Amino acid sequence: QQQVKQSPQSLIVQKGGISIINCAYENTAFDYFPWYQQFPGKGPALLIAIRPDVSEKKEGRFTISFNKSAKQFSLHIMDSQPGDSATYFCAASLGGSGNTGKLIFGQGTTLQVKP
Amino acid sequence: DSGVTQTPKHLITATGQRVTLRCSPRSGDLSVYWYQQSLDQGLQFLIQYYNGEERAKGNILERFSAQQFPDLHSELNLSSLELGDSALYFCASSVGWGLYNEQFFGPGTRLTVL
Repeated sequence: QQQVKQSPQSLIVQKGGISIINCAYENTAFDYFPWYQQFPGKGPALLIAIRPDVSEKKEGRFTISFNKSAKQFSLHIMDSQPGDSATYFCAASLGGSGNTGKLIFGQGTTLQVKP
Repeated sequence: DSGVTQTPKHLITATGQRVTLRCSPRSGDLSVYWYQQSLDQGLQFLIQYYNGEERAKGNILERFSAQQFPDLHSELNLSSLELGDSALYFCASSVGWGLYNEQFFGPGTRLTVL
C-alpha cells in the first residue's frame, strides 16, 4: 500500500513536444506529492510539488495534474527541450501520524528529448 | 550544487567487508535522510535522523546502521557486505522534519561490492 507506480519507464519526445509522466498510488494517507529530476551522476533535485487539495500546479513549463478520486497524478512538460533529458521520479509522503517527511518514490522515467 | 556533501564519491570493496559513508547536510538543516538507489529496487528510503535522533526507519537491513553526530553530519555504516548491496547511496537534508520540508540531495556515493 505504500507504493507509488510510475509509467512509462522511458519516453522519447521531439523538441517542442509535450512529455507526460503518470503516477498512481493506493494509500490515501499520502499528503504531499513532489516530482524530482535527476541528471546522470547527480542526486535528485526537487522540480515541483503538489498537495492533494489542489488539482493543478504550474511552474513555468512544468505542470502537475492531480486527481484525488482516481489517486493519480501526472507531470506535464510543455515545449520539451533537449536540456530536459533526465530521469524523473514521482514521490509521495505520508501525512498524519505517519508524517516524518520520508519520500516513497516511483520507479522513475527516463526522458529523452530529441533535437 | 545542493550544498549537501557526501564522501567518498566511489567505493569499491569486497564481500564481507564493512564501509562507512559520510554525509554533511546543508548549513542549518537538522534532518538527514539516507536513500539507496539500485536498478532493481529504484530509490528506497533507508533511515532519517533529526537533530541527532532517529526519526523514521525504512527498509534498512540489520547489517546497516546510521547515526547523526552533534555537528549534524551523518554516517551510514554497511557491514558484512553482499554483492546485492552494490548501489548508489544518497543522503538528503532538510531544515525540519515533516512532509512539506524540501529535501536536498547530495551527489551520492557509488558502492561497488566485488
